[in-house]
Amino acid sequence: GDSVTQMEGPVTLSEEAFLTINCTYTATGYPSLFWYVQYPGEGLQLLLKATKADDKGSNKGFEATYRKETTSFHLEKGSVQVSDSAVYFCALSVKAGTALIFGKGTTLSVSS
Amino acid sequence: DTGVSQNPRHKITKRGQNVTFRCDPISEHNRLYWYRQTLGQGPEFLTYFQNEAQLEKSRLLSDRFSAERPKGSFSTLEIQRTEQGDSAMYLCASSSQRSDRGNGYTFGSGTRLTVV
Repeated sequence: GDSVTQMEGPVTLSEEAFLTINCTYTATGYPSLFWYVQYPGEGLQLLLKATKADDKGSNKGFEATYRKETTSFHLEKGSVQVSDSAVYFCALSVKAGTALIFGKGTTLSVSS
Repeated sequence: DTGVSQNPRHKITKRGQNVTFRCDPISEHNRLYWYRQTLGQGPEFLTYFQNEAQLEKSRLLSDRFSAERPKGSFSTLEIQRTEQGDSAMYLCASSSQRSDRGNGYTFGSGTRLTVV
């Protein structure tokens, strides 16, 4: 079945370090891919998305490129801040109207 | 647009009691989803409505769970005879038919249920 696999956390970085959170997926067809972020005590917020191969989603300094050949959608940021500390979820949607399928989430902790 | 609103934010209940949660989606969104999130896990799909019709239910949705969306606006999720294993964050999300694949869904802040 369709699934998302994320690197396990927690990921602990110092401020201004480079961030990569790996995400790979298994899906039939051509899914849309998403990264959501969840800050403590809050709901999920859409961080970025890509709807077709080679698309690059970007927002707030975060980027991810839809790689069909490697079925990956890795999240990157060149210089993290303490305020980026949160849980990050990779997700896919196979077809309009169907449920999002989430990875287990990766906790990022950034210290100053 | 006030986003997706969920009430209550927190609920503590004794095992065996019934609980009901409410979700108010973004007004122009015709699709509404319920998810459950346990500690250290990603959200898991429970059920989905398009307008007032419940179109899909997960195997996670046992017969103690029921969801409604009368008139295609707000939705309620009821859990009967709660068990400790029901303790989780219950998330609601909404989307419009045109935005699903492109923009993902808008999530509420969730209702945290603790069964003691």
